[in-house]
Amino acid sequence: NAGVMQNPRHLVRRRGQEARLRCSPMKGHSHVYWYRQLPEEGLKFMVYLQKENIIDESGMPKERFSAEFPKEGPSILRIQQVVRGDSAAYFCASSPAQRTGNTIYFGEGSWLTVV
Amino acid sequence: EDQVTQSPEALRLQEGESSSLNCSYTVSGLRGLFWYRQDPGKGPEFLFTLYSAGEEKEKERLKATLTKKESFLHITAPKPEDSATYLCAVQDGNKLVFGAGTILRVKS
Repeated sequence: NAGVMQNPRHLVRRRGQEARLRCSPMKGHSHVYWYRQLPEEGLKFMVYLQKENIIDESGMPKERFSAEFPKEGPSILRIQQVVRGDSAAYFCASSPAQRTGNTIYFGEGSWLTVV
Repeated sequence: EDQVTQSPEALRLQEGESSSLNCSYTVSGLRGLFWYRQDPGKGPEFLFTLYSAGEEKEKERLKATLTKKESFLHITAPKPEDSATYLCAVQDGNKLVFGAGTILRVKS
């Protein structure tokens, strides 16, 4: 768990502002995933990335949300023009490769509150 | 789409009172079933991966088992520090599909 680093841990934004969440995968991991946990709901997949590539964004809302994993630096989940419904815990996870049954390790999460 | 259902939603145990959590799933071609533990305000902590029916894995007071349609997480002689939400997930392509979790409270 401690190996996947997320920041900030807590973020407060006013409606209409932008939120940027950062994630550094575990050492040796090249695959990054973002999940969202809404209040009283389960973890939901958002996006899967490798370096410089978005592999699967089937869980991303169509508007205002974007993700990247540049060649250098952390993965970024960006939420533009935030609304109250975006308030949630956003978890980043990483794995060494996308193979059957490869363990996916999660970070401690970034808690976004939109006021 | 794959479905994962966990029961019960919540479970209260006395310290030392053994019990089991259930995770039933529907998936075409299981590629892995995962158990995680999540404490309040924290991220999911990996516990086990199971791949095929009949497989079992143990870690301290926890044992996970798998059949063709469900998995059980057996907790033997639990302690208060075992209190947490236990999450089950199945791999579906590039993602994990999670159940809603079982909230376990162990009282001393």
